[in-house]
Amino acid sequence: GENVEQHPSTLSVQEGDSAVIKCTYSDSASNYFPWYKQELGKGPQLIIDIRSNVGEKKDQRIAVTLNKTAKHFSLHITETQPEDSAVYFCAAPRVVSTSGTYKYIFGTGTRLKVLA
Amino acid sequence: GAGVSQSPRYKVAKRGQDVALRCDPISGHVSLFWYQQALGQGPEFLTYFQNEAQLDKSGLPSDRFFAERPEGSVSTLKIQRTQQEDSAVYLCASSPQGILMGKETQYFGPGTRLLVL
Repeated sequence: GENVEQHPSTLSVQEGDSAVIKCTYSDSASNYFPWYKQELGKGPQLIIDIRSNVGEKKDQRIAVTLNKTAKHFSLHITETQPEDSAVYFCAAPRVVSTSGTYKYIFGTGTRLKVLA
Repeated sequence: GAGVSQSPRYKVAKRGQDVALRCDPISGHVSLFWYQQALGQGPEFLTYFQNEAQLDKSGLPSDRFFAERPEGSVSTLKIQRTQQEDSAVYLCASSPQGILMGKETQYFGPGTRLLVL
């Protein structure tokens, strides 16, 4: 299938703790994996992405790891703050034609709540 | 600079009514995507434009859905004879690049929340 599975669906952490969200994908041709943060009433905003030629990428408190063999990638948020509370989506591209057109398959989202 | 804008932000329609949703992408962006997001779900792909060409419309759920981008900038998603199951948030995203996978950053608009009564 073309599903991207995302876990957990909800996650509550204490402020200052770490949060980890995991996604698995099925298309072995996928080579770019973005993570989006969506706040209430807003569109998804890209927070970090990783390409398949690296295994890890960090940007301040946010990191993403990729295991191409196992076809899964994870979002790590350290030192969580209340403003990190939002819904987080992973996505993976799926080629849909021989000309290379593709579409993004999104996970079902993780609602992160950071408790002050 | 200005991001992706969408209008209207909210739309209430009676079942059977036609609606038109507008997307203004970031100026100069080549790619434009439409997504449908049901409550509590991730965005689901509807259609993709590269400039004015609609390269993929495989995600449009029925022939009641139609999208266009006649001059390669502003796009309109039209839904004819709306049904209750069409109620969702419709998201537009644009990207500066073309279709090359692995070089994409999609910038999303705030969405249009459609409620069909």
